[in-house]
Amino acid sequence: SQTIHQWPATLVQPVGSPLSLECTVEGTSNPNLYWYRQAAGRGLQLLFYSVGIGQISSEVPQNLSASRPQDRQFILSSKKLLLSDSSFYLCAWSQTTGKTTFGSGTRLTVV
Amino acid sequence: DAKTTQPPSMDCAEGRAANLPCNHSTISGNEYVYWYRQIHSQGPQYIIHGLKNNETNEMASLIITEDRKSSTLILPHATLRDTAVYYCIARSMNRDDKIIFGKGTRLHILP
Repeated sequence: SQTIHQWPATLVQPVGSPLSLECTVEGTSNPNLYWYRQAAGRGLQLLFYSVGIGQISSEVPQNLSASRPQDRQFILSSKKLLLSDSSFYLCAWSQTTGKTTFGSGTRLTVV
Repeated sequence: DAKTTQPPSMDCAEGRAANLPCNHSTISGNEYVYWYRQIHSQGPQYIIHGLKNNETNEMASLIITEDRKSSTLILPHATLRDTAVYYCIARSMNRDDKIIFGKGTRLHILP
């Protein structure tokens, strides 16, 4: 069966520090991968999506970047966090059926 | 992706059927209707999807109008655990199609 792993569940980072959130998918190959962000009380904002290794599409200009070094690994990064980066970050994957499965999320607080 | 519109919130009594509407008047012929829900502080959960025929699974039923311009998600016997934000999304199964979430409907199940 397919599973998606996202970690850590919570993270507190100082302003100006780097960020690396990792997401891996098991039990499937060549999935579409996504990073979303959800500020408190707000909707889901698509940040990045990838249809293959090394192929990243960015949806909004921001302080973040994404990489896909392996088929089932998707990484969200920042060189210097801002207070406004505090949010709930969600990784997701989908295949040709369009059904999308989400990870459990990382709640990031920048202090 | 076709734009969908949903009421911002709805109430439903526990044990009754919850009927959540969605308008997608500009949906393309190759776009499916997907429903997800997000319980507080969790990632969205897939519920059901369909193209033009009505669909039913263990969670819900999906009724799509003949002209495909609107649909209704039905939770047959709502419970308190069904309190969540419900998202209706129209997208094709093209690999490059992004999954864009709107604001959804906040469903309150009343005891």
